[in-house]
Amino acid sequence: DAGVIQSPRHEVTEMGQEVTLRCKPISGHNSLFWYRQTMMRGLELLIYFNNNVPIDDSGMPEDRFSAKMPNASFSTLKIQPSEPRDSAVYFCASRLGGTGPGELFFGEGSRLTVL
Amino acid sequence: GQQLNQSPQSMFIQEGEDVSMNCTSSSIFNTWLWYKQDPGEGPVLLIALYKAGELTSNGRLTAQFGITRKDSFLNISASIPSDVGIYFCAGRPLGGSNYKLTFGKGTLLTVNP
Repeated sequence: DAGVIQSPRHEVTEMGQEVTLRCKPISGHNSLFWYRQTMMRGLELLIYFNNNVPIDDSGMPEDRFSAKMPNASFSTLKIQPSEPRDSAVYFCASRLGGTGPGELFFGEGSRLTVL
Repeated sequence: GQQLNQSPQSMFIQEGEDVSMNCTSSSIFNTWLWYKQDPGEGPVLLIALYKAGELTSNGRLTAQFGITRKDSFLNISASIPSDVGIYFCAGRPLGGSNYKLTFGKGTLLTVNP
């Protein structure tokens, strides 16, 4: 079975450029999460979608960050303009069910470096 | 916000040794999870615990949901080189959002062959 698929795996860009990260959740999972991982702060929840609807975006750092989920099989996280402090590994994760004990399955992550 | 204290931060052990790590919280949790992250990969769920006192095994791994509901433990028996990685605890606070996990900072495990 295919897991959560993320692209690109690695992205190196210059400050000020737009970055778009992509995610395909596990088929049938109706909850999707974007996390950011850094050494200093660990894993942080950025945004949570349930049935393609953003439920909690309180973790999105600022207006430069935006996320969309146009359908059940695709989501994007966009940073515009990017800054060096955005350098991190960004994980997408999916889960079956907005409630109940279903647990998170993570993608392999997108490592972003902003120069 | 909610924080989990995970210890130790890192461990260096010899192959064949047993490993113990734990996670504590200042408040009650109703779910405890243990994930492993290999270098360059995403976290993978190892064990999920939902009841106080619950003891669950997954091969050489055993985890327990503390009876106070404020802690959890993960033990690895007879470690092997592929056990290398970062182990994260995670949990859901009682009364918190059912979708929001709090993660520990991780325990970096190194196994010397």
